[in-house]
Amino acid sequence: QQQVKQSPQSLIVQKGGISIINCAYENTAFDYFPWYQQFPGKGPALLIAIRPDVSEKKEGRFTISFNKSAKQFSLHIMDSQPGDSATYFCAATHPHTDKLIFGTGTRLQVFP
Amino acid sequence: EPEVTQTPSHQVTQMGQEVILRCVPISNHLYFYWYRQILGQKVEFLVSFYNNEISEKSEIFDDQFSVERPDGSNFTLKIRSTKLEDSAMYFCATQDQRHQETQYFGPGTRLLVL
Repeated sequence: QQQVKQSPQSLIVQKGGISIINCAYENTAFDYFPWYQQFPGKGPALLIAIRPDVSEKKEGRFTISFNKSAKQFSLHIMDSQPGDSATYFCAATHPHTDKLIFGTGTRLQVFP
Repeated sequence: EPEVTQTPSHQVTQMGQEVILRCVPISNHLYFYWYRQILGQKVEFLVSFYNNEISEKSEIFDDQFSVERPDGSNFTLKIRSTKLEDSAMYFCATQDQRHQETQYFGPGTRLLVL
């Protein structure tokens, strides 16, 4: 119930393409869903986050789509660039805790 | 831009030894966390700390682990008697306000227990 399932484990995309990473959860108490980006040797950094009262949030080339009824959310990276190559983690939290529950991560490689 | 710093960046220790991992939070942040990431696996929550006490801890955070803010600035994680399975990257994170605010992660300490 506390898990967040993430797929795919790895993703290879050509420069300019769209990268899509999916996450699913079961705990309906989750009410905040951030995405973190992690470069090798660095800590995770917040990329974009969404709350379940909206179905989509866009910041630049990054968009979160949220489907509350399906308990799924996804990250879309438009016009993917080699600099986007990193590991992406979805996460979730709920009102009774401050801890982030992370997905298993997706290693994205964008080739020129 | 303010950032969370952690020392050391790497630590190698023998099984059974004590290690202390240090974190300097972003100034005026009040909520502190430790997470760990075993190589190739997901980031896992260990403990949260606010107002000089533990707010929440995971089942990983057993009696061998402790946290404190010894001088009001540094935030430390101590592992009393390290085990092989403690080998991981340990991340400190800090947060300004409670809940649904950004947690800022440090660069991590890579701990290797031999």
